[in-house]
Amino acid sequence: DTGVSQDPRHKITKRGQNVTFRCDPISEHNRLYWYRQTLGQGPEFLTYFQNEAQLEKSRLLSDRFSAERPKGSFSTLEIQRTEQGDSAMYLCASSSLSEGGDTQYFGPGTRLTVL
Amino acid sequence: AQSVTQPDIHITVSEGASLELRCNYSYGATPYLFWYVQSPGQGLQLLLKYFSGDTLVQGIKGFEAEFKRSQSSFNLRKPSVHWSDAAEYFCAAEKTSYDKVIFGPGTSLSVIP
Repeated sequence: DTGVSQDPRHKITKRGQNVTFRCDPISEHNRLYWYRQTLGQGPEFLTYFQNEAQLEKSRLLSDRFSAERPKGSFSTLEIQRTEQGDSAMYLCASSSLSEGGDTQYFGPGTRLTVL
Repeated sequence: AQSVTQPDIHITVSEGASLELRCNYSYGATPYLFWYVQSPGQGLQLLLKYFSGDTLVQGIKGFEAEFKRSQSSFNLRKPSVHWSDAAEYFCAAEKTSYDKVIFGPGTSLSVIP
């Protein structure tokens, strides 16, 4: 168990550019979540997958955002036509049911800065 | 609406002193409850969790939390704080298994020597 990994750790881009982030969950975890965290705030839910199926999307996830998990393993989060308001830490988590409850394990995050 | 509140934005304690961080939740039924810690520039680390059973939960790094249904609270405690405990602490709740987690706004902890 190597933990949840995210790539890149930092991304600086210019407004209007597209960016893509990758998340590799803990192996055999079938649930994968994306959250966004802005400075001084707690993480906010964006979307989650069970295997390759995207089951829920937050209203925070505008049409410029798209997430995929094509083979039920790693996931990508793409932001098109980035805006300065997209600057945040993007966190990925994965989970597996244990002892009657769910525990999500978080990756280190990708910090996005839009200039 | 489901929510998690942390009344204290920032707390400062002396090293060796005791600590209590407050958390309240608003859910239709008792949710699953968590405490996470986040050091600067790092991801979230799970300290402890409550699903059911004993209302006093032990976690890592000497932390514990007590669930009080009557007060809709899940406060985090530590008897003696170390300088390395300085970080951001998040209380979180999940309505059911395999659901999204709702986080509180966080409490920033500073430790003075």
